[in-house]
Amino acid sequence: DAKTTQPPSMDCAEGRAANLPCNHSTISGNEYVYWYRQIHSQGPQYIIHGLKNNETNEMASLIITEDRKSSTLILPHATLRDTAVYYCIVRVATNAGGTSYGKLTFGQGTILTVHP
Amino acid sequence: SQTIHQWPATLVQPVGSPLSLECTVEGTSNPNLYWYRQAAGRGLQLLFYSVGIGQISSEVPQNLSASRPQDRQFILSSKKLLLSDSGFYLCAWRGWHGTDTQYFGPGTRLTVL
Repeated sequence: DAKTTQPPSMDCAEGRAANLPCNHSTISGNEYVYWYRQIHSQGPQYIIHGLKNNETNEMASLIITEDRKSSTLILPHATLRDTAVYYCIVRVATNAGGTSYGKLTFGQGTILTVHP
Repeated sequence: SQTIHQWPATLVQPVGSPLSLECTVEGTSNPNLYWYRQAAGRGLQLLFYSVGIGQISSEVPQNLSASRPQDRQFILSSKKLLLSDSGFYLCAWRGWHGTDTQYFGPGTRLTVL
């Protein structure tokens, strides 16, 4: 699975958009980009994932560059409750030849602090 | 809908004592199950995974073991705890088909003294 690089920390004002970058320059064609977050003292929470196209759900939007070497997670209107560690993970989908047990490798992530 | 439970939520144990942490999943069948550990200020480390009853694979050597006695039950155990076993233990599940999205439980915070 491709390695990812994220800034160690970011700040965002409440109500503004939070844009969290992730670099995955060695990503291969069958690897997906997953985003999770972990609020303090809780288990990680799945946010969104994508392969090539931009994706949006009720939590966030995922923008993947055309060359797929980087992506940005966008929280459109950040709240104080969005303060968490955000993890960007790249892996091959199980149905595309990835490991059958679906291992996720978590890096150090980005600590996002949303302030009033 | 699917839910995942872990207990206990917190645990303080002396060095050398045994350990049993339990994880159960509701609302799905034949899930893949995972045990992760997160040491203070560190990332998540996969300890064990299971693709079915009685099928356990270990990712890292340690004095912990895992068992899956029922389809939706995953247990993490130790015969003798070490100080280095302290951490936040997380259980997760994934459907056996579809995406690789994993869903995590609330975790157990273990302190070994």
